[in-house]
Amino acid sequence: AQSVTQLDSQVPVFEEAPVELRCNYSSSVSVYLFWYVQYPNQGLQLLLKYLSGSTLVKGINGFEAEFNKSQTSFHLRKPSVHISDTAEYFCAVSRFQGGKLIFGQGTELSVKP
Amino acid sequence: SQTIHQWPATLVQPVGSPLSLECTVEGTSNPNLYWYRQAAGRGLQLLFYSVGIGQISSEVPQNLSASRPQDRQFILSSKKLLLSDSGFYLCAWADWDRGHLEAFFGQGTRLTVV
Repeated sequence: AQSVTQLDSQVPVFEEAPVELRCNYSSSVSVYLFWYVQYPNQGLQLLLKYLSGSTLVKGINGFEAEFNKSQTSFHLRKPSVHISDTAEYFCAVSRFQGGKLIFGQGTELSVKP
Repeated sequence: SQTIHQWPATLVQPVGSPLSLECTVEGTSNPNLYWYRQAAGRGLQLLFYSVGIGQISSEVPQNLSASRPQDRQFILSSKKLLLSDSGFYLCAWADWDRGHLEAFFGQGTRLTVV
C-alpha cells in the first residue's frame, strides 16, 4: 500500500524568499506523484505531477519538484514566493497506472510581507 | 471538456439525521471516482473510491456509505449523522486509462453536524 508523509504542517516565510515543502512517500511499486494546492473553502488544483522521465518537474505558478527515488521524496520548491502563494499544499501518490489516490496531511504555507 | 459538479456547497444537519451528497461528472465515461473528507488539521482522508458502476472500495470504517448508481454519479450517504461527521467533503474523478493522469476535484461540501 502507498502512504505519504508531509514533514511540515506549517511553513511561514517572507515574501520573495525561497521555500521548500517536503514530501516523502512509501510504496512497494512504481508510483505517480502529485502536488496540489488548496485555497480557503475551495477544491484542489493540480500544481504539478511526476509520471515518468525527467526527475525535475515544473508546474504552474513557478513551482517545481524533484523526484528522488532513492530517498523516496518529492519535495516542492519555489525560488521566490508571493503573498498569493499563501494556501495549503498537498502531496499525493497513486500506484503506476492509477487507482487509489492517497494524500498527505498537508502543509500550510503562510507568506508574510 | 470534462466538468465535475458537487452539491450542496454547504449543509447544516442535526445529529441523527440522514445525509446524501451527490457528485456528477460530465464529458467522460467510466472514470475513477473518489470521496475525501477534510477535517481541520487532518489532511485529506480517502473515504471511498470506485473504478466502475457498483464497485465501491471503502477505506475507512465509519458511519458513511457510498454508491455509484450510474457511470458518472457518486453518492455519499449516512443513515444517522454523528458530530464527528462534520468536515469538508470533496469529490474527485480521474481517468487513468485515457491519459487524464491526475485527479480533478469538485468545489466541496462544508458539512456541519449540530
